Amino acid sequence: AQTVTQSQPEMSVQEAETVTLSCTYDTSESDYYLFWYKQPPSRQMILVIRQEAYKQQNATENRFSVNFQKAAKSFSLKISDSQLGDAAMYFCAYEGTSYDKVIFGPGTSLSVIP
Amino acid sequence: DAGITQSPRYKITETGRQVTLMCHQTWSHSYMFWYRQDLGHGLRLIYYSAAADITDKGEVPDGYVVSRSKTENFPLTLESATRSQTSVYFCASSESRHLNEKLFFGSGTQLSVL
Repeated sequence: AQTVTQSQPEMSVQEAETVTLSCTYDTSESDYYLFWYKQPPSRQMILVIRQEAYKQQNATENRFSVNFQKAAKSFSLKISDSQLGDAAMYFCAYEGTSYDKVIFGPGTSLSVIP
Repeated sequence: DAGITQSPRYKITETGRQVTLMCHQTWSHSYMFWYRQDLGHGLRLIYYSAAADITDKGEVPDGYVVSRSKTENFPLTLESATRSQTSVYFCASSESRHLNEKLFFGSGTQLSVL
């Protein structure tokens, strides 16, 4: 069965600095998608970035980028120039070839220190 | 207003009572989903629906019932609430089955079962 692990329950970063959130997953599939979602205190789930497994190039969205290592089954999120508004819970998610195999990790709570 | 709305935002009930959580979306998305969010588990899929009158189980369906008589509504019923069902429940919708088409989440319902 597929699993998604986020080994850092909590992290903190100084404003304007860079932070990397870790995510590893386990799967036997070769075709899948990976995602990072942000959940601020408002509880809204916001898609931050997504990566198709068949693409070798790492996805980037403004200050957010990923380091996708398919062989290592690793999918980390890097936030550059951290802002106070980045403080939130971040979830890594995996989607396999059928919808009922969507799996979210347990989340990492990110604090941004002014 | 267009979007996906959940009601109520907060609910307290007692063990053994029936509870229904409402979800309404205005986009006419085919797919709708119910997740529960628990500390340390991330989001887990309870049920999903591909269209009106079509529903299927997710990862943790036991103790829950869903219906989809109209495309825009997808209520989740706890027929006999248990304390283990204390959680935050999220409804979501998307154009298609796959997560890469982007999920739109509601604001969640925080349910406490005493």
